[in-house]
Amino acid sequence: EIVLTQSPATLSLSPGERATLSCRASQSVSSYLAWYQQKPGQAPRLLIYDASNRATGIPARFSGSGSGTDFTLTISSLEPEDFAVYYCQQRSNWPPPWTFGQGTKVEIK
Amino acid sequence: EVQLVESGGGLVKPGGSLRLSCAASGFTFSSYSMNWVRQAPGKGLEWVSSISSSSSYIYYADSVKGRFTISRDNAKNSLYLQMNSLRAEDTAVYYCARDLDYGDYWGQGTLVTVSS
Repeated sequence: EIVLTQSPATLSLSPGERATLSCRASQSVSSYLAWYQQKPGQAPRLLIYDASNRATGIPARFSGSGSGTDFTLTISSLEPEDFAVYYCQQRSNWPPPWTFGQGTKVEIK
Repeated sequence: EVQLVESGGGLVKPGGSLRLSCAASGFTFSSYSMNWVRQAPGKGLEWVSSISSSSSYIYYADSVKGRFTISRDNAKNSLYLQMNSLRAEDTAVYYCARDLDYGDYWGQGTLVTVSS
C-alpha cells in the first residue's frame, strides 16, 4: 500500500505570502495525484488533479507540480479564504483505490 | 447542478448497526463509481469503500472489511453503506464522493457516533 507523507504539518503565513506544500509518496504514483482544500465544517474541495491540472473554478493562484514520488502544491499569494487544511490523494488501479496524506494546515501568522 | 446528500447518521452503541444513504442528483449516477470517505473528529480523511458503476468492483479498507457493505441502486440514484459491528473508532463524519479517479464532488457528510 502506498503511503503519502505531507509536510509541513502546519504552515504559518501571512496573507499575500507564497505557500509551498509538499506530498511525498512511498513509491511512484506517476502523475496520479490530487490536492484538496478543506475548511472547518465543510467537505473537501478538489483543487488539483493529475498532479498539475486545476479543477473547474479553481483560481490560478493554485498550482501543482511533480511526478513520481514528490509533489508540490503552491499558492502564489495567500488570500484570507485560503487558510485551511490541504490534503493530497493518490489514485490507484489496485486496492485501495484512494489514499490520502495526513494533511497540512495553513494558518494565519 | 451535481448534488450528493448523505443521511442515516446518528448515535449508536458499540456492536450496533447503521445504514447510511447518499442521494445523488444532477448527473448520470449509473455512469460513475462512488466512494465513501470518513473523517474522525479532528483527524484526516480516510477512504472507506468504493463501488464501480455497475457494482462489479467493490473494495473496502482493511479497517472495515467484513463489517461494512457498500451497495448502490442506480434506479434510485442512491448509494448505501451498511455498517455492522460498529466500534468506537468508527466515529466519524462519513462523506460520499463521486469518483472521477478523484473526488470531484462530495456530499456535506453525516455524523456517526459510536458510544455507550
